[in-house]
Formats: sequence, C-alpha cells, structure tokens
Amino acid sequence: AQKVTQAQTEISVVEKEDVTLDCVYETRDTTYYLFWYKQPPSGELVFLIRRNSFDEQNEISGRYSWNFQKSTSSFNFTITASQVVDSAVYFCALSGDNQGGKLIFGQGTELSVKP
Amino acid sequence: SQTIHQWPATLVQPVGSPLSLECTVEGTSNPNLYWYRQAAGRGLQLLFYSVGIGQISSEVPQNLSASRPQDRQFILSSKKLLLSDSGFYLCACRTGGAVFGYTFGSGTRLTVV
Repeated sequence: AQKVTQAQTEISVVEKEDVTLDCVYETRDTTYYLFWYKQPPSGELVFLIRRNSFDEQNEISGRYSWNFQKSTSSFNFTITASQVVDSAVYFCALSGDNQGGKLIFGQGTELSVKP
Repeated sequence: SQTIHQWPATLVQPVGSPLSLECTVEGTSNPNLYWYRQAAGRGLQLLFYSVGIGQISSEVPQNLSASRPQDRQFILSSKKLLLSDSGFYLCACRTGGAVFGYTFGSGTRLTVV
C-alpha cells in the first residue's frame, strides 16, 4: 500500500527565516511520482512540483527547493527567506501507475509565516 | 490543457437530504477521475476513482457513492446526508504524456446542518 507521512502538523516561522517541510513516503512500485501542492485559505490546490522516481536530481525554483532521496524515501521541501504569502497548507503526495494512478496525500503541514 | 468544472462552490444541506455533486472535464478524453474529501483541518482523503465509463472504485466505506455516466462526467451522490459528510470536496483528473500530472477542480464546500 502507498502511504505519505508529513510529521509536522504546524510550523510557525518569522518572515525571512528558512523552513523545511518534511515528507516521507512508502510504496512498492518501482516507478512512482511525488508531488508537492500548496493550499491557500481559498481552498484550491496549487501545483508546485512533480518528481519521477527515476530522477533523483534536486530542484530549485526561486526561493523553493526540493530534496529527493530514495535511500531514505524522503522528498523534503525548503522555502528560503520565507514570506507572509507563503502561509498555507502544504501537501506532499504520491502516485504510481497501478490502481488507477490514484494520488495519495499526506496529512499536510500548515505553515504560518509571521511578519 | 485540461479544465475541471465543479459546482456548486458552496452548499448547505440538512441532515437526511440527498446530494449530487457534478464534475465535468474539458480538454481530454478517457481520463482517470477522482473524488477527494477534506474534512475541516484535515488532509485530503481519496473517496472514489474511475478509469472509465461505469467503472468505479471505492477507497473507503461510507455514506457516499459515485457514478460515471459519460467519459468526462463524474458524479458524487448520497441518498441521505450525515453531519459527518460535511467537508470540502475536490474532483481531479489525471493527465498523461509530457505534462503528466493531476488537474483539480475548484472544490465544493458542503455543510450539513
């Protein structure tokens, strides 16, 4: 069975601090895909990144960076120099090619960035 | 690109009343479709998924059912709502090819009173 664990339920930081959101996953699939989504208070899901299981290259996009490590089954997300607009719930998610390609979400981490 | 239309945006229904939420997809054919629910302050729980017309897989036993009468139409229903059915419902489709990923609707916030 597939599972995603986001152990941090809530994180509170002060603006300009760096923050890392943890994500650990479990799967028996050899090919799988990892995602991060942002959910602002309005509720819609905003896609941030997708990673394929065969591509362990880390990625940086502006203030956002992702560290994918298959050896520890982790896909952590770091925000550098956080801003108030980063305040939201962040979800890590996992899917494979079997079982209808269903996307399984972690419980989410609520990030609060204070000015 | 794919677009998901989901309505209504908000809904207040009394306990025991029926429910029908509709989701339609544009810009793709034969998509995999999914219904998720998010209870207040909780994560996104997969309720149902469908890989084709008339094919429904249920992830959790509950008071809800799903149907897919047409290729790009996915319906979530209940004959009698419970208070515990309150939540934020999201429809999603899986897109393939070079832009593989998932497209989500804007969601329906259901309050059962």
